[in-house]
Amino acid sequence: KAGVTQTPRYLIKTRGQQVTLSCSPISGHRSVSWYQQTPGQGLQFLFEYFSETQRNKGNFPGRFSGRQFSNSRSEMNVSTLELGDSALYLCASSPWSSGANNEQFFGPGTRLTVL
Amino acid sequence: QQQVKQSPQSLIVQKGGISIINCAYENTAFDYFPWYQQFPGKGPALLIAIRPDVSEKKEGRFTISFNKSAKQFSLHIMDSQPGDSATYFCAASGANDYKLSFGAGTTVTVRA
Repeated sequence: KAGVTQTPRYLIKTRGQQVTLSCSPISGHRSVSWYQQTPGQGLQFLFEYFSETQRNKGNFPGRFSGRQFSNSRSEMNVSTLELGDSALYLCASSPWSSGANNEQFFGPGTRLTVL
Repeated sequence: QQQVKQSPQSLIVQKGGISIINCAYENTAFDYFPWYQQFPGKGPALLIAIRPDVSEKKEGRFTISFNKSAKQFSLHIMDSQPGDSATYFCAASGANDYKLSFGAGTTVTVRA
């Protein structure tokens, strides 16, 4: 099976702009999660979607949003970019329908640099 | 507030030695404890995971030990190799969390 794919792999934006990142999960996986990784804060959970519904959301401002499509592909959007948004954004795919089936498999990430 | 505390922050081990990384948690609702390995420029890769109904799980040179009463779990890397040099993250989740809570990470360097 092909792994999780994320596009683009690298992005450079300036403050105030917005950005959209894309994630394609492993075939058959219906859960997609997003995480932000920074040297200072580590890996922090952004949100999780299953069958186009957001089931959980982390402690991030409303500038961070996401969605999931009927084919399980997901996008996340960050509006009004700030310097502190520079990070590696990771997408994780899981078959996680409920309960115990919560193995998560990560993509390579999108490296966002905000200037 | 970090729900999973990981130590040490970094460690250096000689080739063939044992690397030990420890994690502790408070949330008794957690019932899934994975370990991830991450190389520079790559996403985290699932290494091994354990659930609270067992106290130990071994896969090749990697072993998880789990102490439910102490709310602690650890990763042991036996016969460490230079290719094991990476950052290791412990994590935890509950059945209805739909998220992983990560430790801060441990950078392991294996000297040849």
